[in-house]
Amino acid sequence: EIVLTQSPATLSLSPGERATLSCRASESVNFFLAWYQQKPGQAPRLLIYDASNRAPGIPARFSGSGSGTDFTLTISSLEPEDFAVYFCQQRNNWPPRYTFGQGTKLEIK
Amino acid sequence: QVQLQESGPGLVKPSETLSLTCAVSGGSMSSYYWSWIRQSPGKGLEWIGYVYNSGSTNYNPSLKSRVTVSEDTSKSQFSLRLSSVTAADTAVYYCARGNDYGDYGRPRGFDYWGQGTLVTVSS
Repeated sequence: EIVLTQSPATLSLSPGERATLSCRASESVNFFLAWYQQKPGQAPRLLIYDASNRAPGIPARFSGSGSGTDFTLTISSLEPEDFAVYFCQQRNNWPPRYTFGQGTKLEIK
Repeated sequence: QVQLQESGPGLVKPSETLSLTCAVSGGSMSSYYWSWIRQSPGKGLEWIGYVYNSGSTNYNPSLKSRVTVSEDTSKSQFSLRLSSVTAADTAVYYCARGNDYGDYGRPRGFDYWGQGTLVTVSS
């Protein structure tokens, strides 16, 4: 099973700052990596798929990059509603199997 | 707007079968992968499996021997059955829609989710 490790566990920033979240895979997942945002009491929300493609309706301040084993989610300028937990999720090639990282909590400084 | 809604018992006894249903509204069930994902404090988010293409399935190998996901497109719903449950199966269960964004057979992400339902396994 491919293990995803996210860092840092907690990130404390202020509105307007830039956030950089990391996700590292235990083996190459090519570009088959997605990012989700989850707020308390809500389901996860898909932000990015295939490492860098924004899902429909996702603001342009969210961007993803990376391939192979190292991936990054960047939020260019934090809005108050962006403070949440972020998860990465990989899909191996065939047969498709899905695993999630343990999450990074983005909190207000 | 696609909406998903889980329903089913919130309490299941050990060794029994957990059964949940997800009602889909606001869109067609064809061309998507109707999925179950669970979340617990100990294991985080865990993909359980999905049904697609009028009955094809794909399951997490670690749960495969106990899981059945099925769909009833005439009722716009799909279901999860997880047998022989233990306390380790206690979690919030989400139904979700997998989207392959054109890469048939391989969902690239889960773009719509239900609000989740807590299932506790306890006697």
